[in-house]
Amino acid sequence: GAGVSQSPRYKVTKRGQDVALRCDPISGHVSLYWYRQALGQGPEFLTYFNYEAQQDKSGLPNDRFSAERPEGSISTLTIQRTEQRDSAMYRCASSLRRQETQYFGPGTRLLVL
Amino acid sequence: KQEVTQIPAALSVPEGENLVLNCSFTDSAIYNLQWFRQDPGKGLTSLLLIQSSQREQTSGRLNASLDKSSGRSTLYIAASQPGDSATYLCAVRGNTGGFKTIFGAGTRLFVKA
Repeated sequence: GAGVSQSPRYKVTKRGQDVALRCDPISGHVSLYWYRQALGQGPEFLTYFNYEAQQDKSGLPNDRFSAERPEGSISTLTIQRTEQRDSAMYRCASSLRRQETQYFGPGTRLLVL
Repeated sequence: KQEVTQIPAALSVPEGENLVLNCSFTDSAIYNLQWFRQDPGKGLTSLLLIQSSQREQTSGRLNASLDKSSGRSTLYIAASQPGDSATYLCAVRGNTGGFKTIFGAGTRLFVKA
């Protein structure tokens, strides 16, 4: 079946612009996670949803970052007033239930000029 | 605060050798531990998931163990092959608060033909 998909795969934006990154989890997966990965590092946790409820947003770096999953399926990570330090690979993962295997999407590479 | 450390950071071995990758974590209150593989420029592929109540999991030439009390997990790769060359990441999911997942920085493995 289809895996986790993310769009866009690449995003180049100018400093100060808002960006929205989309994640489409595996069908039927209840749990959804957002991570950010810098080169040579492991993914850094951003936020976690169980169904439509955002149960942990402690990893969001500041209030420019927000995420939603209004119908418990597709999720959007929004970064407002982007800064160059926001440039990274943003990864989404989903799992059938929260205690089960996380499956990752291909990621969105964000470059802020 | 959970911290995950992976040793060694990089490893080069000849083909056919058995090897062990190490992962240590500071907070033993975990929900589960997952090992991933990441090829250069690619996404993360799940290898093994160990629940907190389990001691080990096996898949083919891979065996992962978990010792919660000492805060350690090992990934054993038998009869290594050049195709095993990749970065191996350990991820620990806490069982308190928001169930955040914390990744180590990974071990870069190179298997020489």
